This record gives sequence, structure tokens and C-alpha cells, in this order.
Amino acid sequence: DAGVIQSPRHEVTEMGQEVTLRCKPISGHNSLFWYRQTMMRGLELLIYFNNNVPIDDSGMPEDRFSAKMPNASFSTLKIQPSEPRDSAVYFCASRRRAGDTEAFFGQGTRLTVV
Amino acid sequence: KQEVTQIPAALSVPEGENLVLNCSFTDSAIYNLQWFRQDPGKGLTSLLLIQSSQREQTSGRLNASLDKSSGRSTLYIAASQPGDSATYLCAVGDLGNAGNMLTFGGGTRLMVKP
Repeated sequence: DAGVIQSPRHEVTEMGQEVTLRCKPISGHNSLFWYRQTMMRGLELLIYFNNNVPIDDSGMPEDRFSAKMPNASFSTLKIQPSEPRDSAVYFCASRRRAGDTEAFFGQGTRLTVV
Repeated sequence: KQEVTQIPAALSVPEGENLVLNCSFTDSAIYNLQWFRQDPGKGLTSLLLIQSSQREQTSGRLNASLDKSSGRSTLYIAASQPGDSATYLCAVGDLGNAGNMLTFGGGTRLMVKP
């Protein structure tokens, strides 16, 4: 298996623009997670899905952030409009089933908003 | 709210040494605990997953222990090698959400010198 696949690997955009990050979880995994990593705050959970349904989005910082999972093999995290403080590395992770299996992470998308 | 702390934040050792990385958490009602490794500019690689009912897990030169009552986990690395140089992160899955929501520590940055 190719693991969790994220795209793009790097994204540079201007403040105010819309940004869409993409994730393909490992086939057969039922849970998908979006994390954000910064030097100041470390790794923070933004939102997670079980069986394509959003379960907890309490970590989503603002209404500018939204996430979707239209099917078991694809998810997006959208920021609209983007701001410089959104600059971070965004990770997607998946698990075979809730909780009692390992979480596998993608390589991340490094977002820079100028 | 669960808080996870890793001490030390950075560690430098000569090749061949056995070493221990520490992780502490404030709420002992955990579902599981997972140790990850992160190389610079890369995603997280799962090392070991310990369920709340387990005391330890081993994989090769790595051994992770869990003491829920004291809120601690340790990652033991035997006969360290330069290739072990990376940041090591522990993450706690809370009981309330069946371990799905991982709370990460700040990590220990390890350098093994040849």
C-alpha cells in the first residue's frame, strides 16, 4: 500500500486566496484525521471522520476552515480566505478502525500564506 | 483537558548508548498511547501502540512501557545508532472518544553522534 497520500506537498499562496488540501487515506481505513503542526503549538487535531462522517470538528480554528469526505478514499481541507497565520504543515492520517489501531500519517502539506 | 509533556525537549548522545525518552500525561483515563518518529520535513512514522490494558510493547531495539496510574510512558532505545536521530513524539488517545482523538506531546529531538 502506498500509505496516506497528500497533495500538494507544498503550497504558497497570497493572503485572501482559497486553499484546498487533499488526502487519500489507506484503503480499508475507516477513520481519517486532519492535523496541523506549527512550532508554537505542535500537533493539533482539527477534525476527524468515521466512515466518511465528521465526528468532531472542535479543533477547526475558524469558519474559514472546512473539511469534507465525499467518499472513503478522498478528503479535502479548505481554507477560505487564507491568512498568514494559517501557515503550517497540515497532516492527514488514517486508521483501520476507531481508536485501537495505529494511526498512519501522510507526508504533509507545507502551506505558506504570504 | 489532557496535557502531554515530553522531557527532555532535546537529547544528544554518542552512538551505542541505551537511552530513555519520557512522556507524561495528566489524565489517566486513556484508551491507548502511541509513539511516533518524525524526520525533518517528513510525516510521522508509527513506532509502537500500547493499549491501556498493556504494560509494554517491543519492536526490535525499541521498548515502550505504560504506567497509567502515574501518567507516564517511556520509550527505551537500545544500542542507539545515528539513524535513530529524529524527533520522537508520544500521543495519548483519550478514553472518552475511544482513542480517536490523539493529544500529542511536544516531542524530544534526539541526535545520536557517530
